[in-house]
Amino acid sequence: EAGVVQSPRYKIIEKKQPVAFWCNPISGHNTLYWYRQNLGQGPELLIRYENEEAVDDSQLPKDRFSAERLKGVDSTLKIQPAELGDSAVYLCASSPRGTGNTEAFFGQGTRLTVV
Amino acid sequence: AQSVTQLGSHVSVSEGALVLLRCNYSSSVPPYLFWYVQYPNQGLQLLLKYTSAATLVKGINGFEAEFKKSETSFHLTKPSAHMSDAAEYFCAVSGTGANNLFFGTGTRLTVIP
Repeated sequence: EAGVVQSPRYKIIEKKQPVAFWCNPISGHNTLYWYRQNLGQGPELLIRYENEEAVDDSQLPKDRFSAERLKGVDSTLKIQPAELGDSAVYLCASSPRGTGNTEAFFGQGTRLTVV
Repeated sequence: AQSVTQLGSHVSVSEGALVLLRCNYSSSVPPYLFWYVQYPNQGLQLLLKYTSAATLVKGINGFEAEFKKSETSFHLTKPSAHMSDAAEYFCAVSGTGANNLFFGTGTRLTVIP
């Protein structure tokens, strides 16, 4: 069974430029998460989807970040415009349902460097 | 509200020695607790999880953790460290009716030959 797939693995952009990350969750998983992991820190939740509905986006900086999950499968996370402080690893995860006692499966992440 | 605290951002052990990584949690609901491992440039992989069944949980690669409610702890142990155990370890908490996973800041384990 294929795991969570993210692309690209690495991205280097200049500040003020836009950037987008893509995630394909495990087939059949209704719940999809986007996390941001700063250097030396644990992952922090940005947004959680149940199917195509964003049910928790309280930590998403909405002035520059946006996300979508069309048809409740793939998801895209966008930053426009990017700032130096956005440099981090962006992790996508999925689970059959909201975490509770169900583990989340993580992709390899996209490492973003803003210069 | 839920959170975890990992004591010690860096732990070094000799190969063959006991591994002990500490995690304390805070949760307003009965917690579910997880340990994840992250190898360089990789995503997170689940080592083990506690979901209110047995308090001593066995995971992959010889790791285990014990849930102690009285101490609000969920420490990760392994009797004998291998070089391949060198990685970053994250403790995380969720809970009954809670659908988000909250991570600690991680502990980097170094294994000395």
